[in-house]
Amino acid sequence: DTGVSQDPRHKITKRGQNVTFRCDPISEHNRLYWYRQTLGQGPEFLTYFQNEAQLEKSRLLSDRFSAERPKGSFSTLEIQRTEQGDSAMYLCASSLDGRAGGYTFGSGTRLTVV
Amino acid sequence: AQSVTQLDSHVSVSEGTPVLLRCNYSSSYSPSLFWYVQHPNKGLQLLLKYTSAATLVKGINGFEAEFKKSETSFHLTKPSAHMSDAAEYFCVVSDRDTGRRALTFGSGTRLQVQP
Repeated sequence: DTGVSQDPRHKITKRGQNVTFRCDPISEHNRLYWYRQTLGQGPEFLTYFQNEAQLEKSRLLSDRFSAERPKGSFSTLEIQRTEQGDSAMYLCASSLDGRAGGYTFGSGTRLTVV
Repeated sequence: AQSVTQLDSHVSVSEGTPVLLRCNYSSSYSPSLFWYVQHPNKGLQLLLKYTSAATLVKGINGFEAEFKKSETSFHLTKPSAHMSDAAEYFCVVSDRDTGRRALTFGSGTRLQVQP
């Protein structure tokens, strides 16, 4: 296990469709974070898990966004009824107990809504 | 709430000259601060971190940063720029006063290195 994997790398979807992204963290990391990065901006925090528990989701952008980590391993981020404003890079990161500087980021999923 | 402000959206230097990327932070607590680099189509990579030990922090690829509490600054420097340093750089603060340890990113500084 050499890093955090995200799939797909790119996703183009029509407005109104649902999309799901997957993140596979480093296996021994118990924390998993989702961030969104829009063009010209730094990533912004969306939600995070400790093992299978989602400990904060208040930063999810709307009720169209949901995330799961059913077995405490991989995670999925779903966006329902996509809008053009959802076009962004979605980044996943994992860490061990949130230790400072211990984050490893994936390469992200770039979503384009047309 | 914690935040960081990157004072320059773009910096252009010539190869072999010094690099200075400026960052100011705002935090109610003693912060954990980081610099990350993002190359095109690649993931974010940690350059260096400050976690209340030495105020001068050395990172990878010859970068270093100095934590100055009196100035609430955490500027990134490198003595001599290389073409491969061209990338987007983010100053980041961690909310280590809460349990979640989420990262708050600045808006980024794009570094261009001219030959």
